[in-house]
Amino acid sequence: DIVMTQSPDSLAVSLGERATINCKSSQSVLYSSNSKNYLAWYQQKPGQPPKLLIYWASTRESGVPDRFSGSGSGTDFTLTISSLQAEDVAVYYCQQYYSTPLGFGPGTKVDIK
Amino acid sequence: EVQLVESGGGLVQPGGSLRLSCAASGFTFSTYAMHWVRQAPGKGLEHVSAVSRDGASTYYPNSVKGRFAISRDNSKNTLYLQMGSLRAEDMAVYYCARDRGAAAGMYYYMDVWGKGTTVTVSS
Repeated sequence: DIVMTQSPDSLAVSLGERATINCKSSQSVLYSSNSKNYLAWYQQKPGQPPKLLIYWASTRESGVPDRFSGSGSGTDFTLTISSLQAEDVAVYYCQQYYSTPLGFGPGTKVDIK
Repeated sequence: EVQLVESGGGLVQPGGSLRLSCAASGFTFSTYAMHWVRQAPGKGLEHVSAVSRDGASTYYPNSVKGRFAISRDNSKNTLYLQMGSLRAEDMAVYYCARDRGAAAGMYYYMDVWGKGTTVTVSS
């Protein structure tokens, strides 16, 4: 099974500042035949279901603000919020879909400093 | 509007059974694989089952294999999760979610989520 880890567990960032969340998989999620990383990012606000932000590690879902970006390849990935807004307070999860069992990271909580 | 609405959650005793439903609307249900994902109180997300577009193929992680059964009725645009031998650790909000992937027989990421239904396991 591929194990997903995230760091930090939580972070507090000032409004307008950059937030960076890391996600690591225990084995590569890069599929060599199509050069795609099978990695997605979700945002979950309190009392709400998760919302898809990023897939294929760096493709932004339609309607997601461009301050959200994903990067990385293989086993190491990053979600960056370039200029934190108040509405970005949430828990962020990464998920690998390279193989079953589909696995989520434990989540990173983002707050305002 | 694309929408998923779960129902069927409630209080059940340990060892009991429950069937969850998820009504889909606003899209062609039969052309998407579907998932159930749960979230225990204050915890993270856990994938608990998936079903192919036609219902012929299913997937379960070891944590629920043999106890849970996912199915779908494409004529009713409805996804189901039959849960049995329920344990305290199955207590969670259960979300149904749509799979975005294109390739049959594979599961990908989830682009549409319902609001969830709560399952409480307690005597």
